[in-house]
Amino acid sequence: QQQVKQSPQSLIVQKGGISIINCAYENTAFDYFPWYQQFPGKGPALLIAIRPDVSEKKEGRFTISFNKSAKQFSLHIMDSQPGDSATYFCAGSGGATNKLIFGTGTLLAVQP
Amino acid sequence: DVKVTQSSRYLVKRTGEKVFLECVQDMDHENMFWYRQDPGLGLRLIYFSYDVKMKEKGDIPEGYSVSREKKERFSLILESASTNQTSMYLCASSLTIPGTRSDFGPGTRLLVL
Repeated sequence: QQQVKQSPQSLIVQKGGISIINCAYENTAFDYFPWYQQFPGKGPALLIAIRPDVSEKKEGRFTISFNKSAKQFSLHIMDSQPGDSATYFCAGSGGATNKLIFGTGTLLAVQP
Repeated sequence: DVKVTQSSRYLVKRTGEKVFLECVQDMDHENMFWYRQDPGLGLRLIYFSYDVKMKEKGDIPEGYSVSREKKERFSLILESASTNQTSMYLCASSLTIPGTRSDFGPGTRLLVL
């Protein structure tokens, strides 16, 4: 099974708050877990990614937490800003084809 | 930076028309992909190609075909467009090195009437 399940579908956060988006995967052959950010009218852009040999990766205000045994990973956005308002997709892939299996997306709105 | 370009941002076609969506990448990537994006369904893989003239079906290939005659160009073809193919179409490319990023184009929003 190749699904990636993502929640919540939508999220409203106050400026300065923490946004948390969760994903769960089924395919144990996945070895790369990226998060993409998409603004209206644009294609998705890579935000941050993690491999399963580490439990956490941080880049600025964005952190991925990874739990291999539970087959779950999450995106934390610290000090959320209105400019972070976008749709976020988690994904998983494995092997040289780099085919991405995406979650269904989370629409994040950060209120000023 | 990889640049992935798509030939059209918006297209309006009639049911039964043959539709061509073109994608070009400028970074010599071996892999190229066509995804379809629909609300609540995320991005779903239609076809991908790992080399010139090579292609494999993704999760939803029905009603679509592809062509890759040159490394930098990957075309998606709707042989006979139907209203259920109204969607956002996204092209992406990547290296064949496992665990490397895929870079996306801006998307083509297709409306089939």
